[in-house]
Amino acid sequence: QKEVEQDPGPLSVPEGAIVSLNCTYSNSAFQYFMWYRQYSRKGPELLMYTYSSGNKEDGRFTAQVDKSSKYISLFIRDSQPSDSATYLCAMKRNQGGKLIFGQGTELSVKP
Amino acid sequence: GAVVSQHPSWVICKSGTSVKIECRSLDFQATTMFWYRQFPKQSLMLMATSNEGSKATYEQGVEKDKFLINHASLTLSTLTVTSAHPEDSSFYICSAPTSGMKLTDTQYFGPGTRLTVL
Repeated sequence: QKEVEQDPGPLSVPEGAIVSLNCTYSNSAFQYFMWYRQYSRKGPELLMYTYSSGNKEDGRFTAQVDKSSKYISLFIRDSQPSDSATYLCAMKRNQGGKLIFGQGTELSVKP
Repeated sequence: GAVVSQHPSWVICKSGTSVKIECRSLDFQATTMFWYRQFPKQSLMLMATSNEGSKATYEQGVEKDKFLINHASLTLSTLTVTSAHPEDSSFYICSAPTSGMKLTDTQYFGPGTRLTVL
C-alpha cells in the first residue's frame, strides 16, 4: 500500500466548475501538507501548504485537511482553462525534510 | 516565492556518456537540496538528499555511483548521471527548502531537466 494515494484522473470539467481534488494517506505521522501544480514539462509550483486540520483559503483555492480521517482536499472555485495541469499532493512527517508525493491528478478545464 | 533554477533544461546525449545537471537557489541559501526523477504521467520519486559540505543521502534502490551528487556551495548542487543509458531518460527535478529541515519550511522546485539518452 502506498503511503499517499491520489486518484490520477484524468479529470475534465467545464470552465467555471468547482473542482475537488483528493488524497488519502496511511501514516498518521504526516503533519505538513502541500498541494503543487505542475504544468507539462515544468517543475511543480507550490500552491498551498498547511499543517493543521481545517480549511485554508487563498483566492480561488481552498485546502482542507482532516487528520482524523487521513484525508486532504484541494478545492478550486470558478475553474479556468489556465488551471489545466497536474495537481500533486505532498506531505511530510514530523522529522526530516522529505516530501512524499501522491501520484498526481491531471485536470483539464474546457472553455 | 523563492526561485530555484536548473541548467540545462533539456539535454540529449549518447549512451555511455555522462551528463551534469546544475541546481541553483537564486535568492536564498540552501544547505539541503533534493533530487527527484519523474517518468511520464507519474509522480516525483525522491532520488537523494544533497547536503552542503557532506555526502549525499541516497534513497533505497538509487545507485550512488551512477548518480553523483555534489553540493559545493550553499546555492549550488549538481547531479551527474554517469555512463547514461536509455533507461536513464527521464525528467530530473531539484528542490530546496527555504529554511532548512524544519517542519514548517516550504520547498521550492526547479523547472526540471529533461534528459534523453540515445
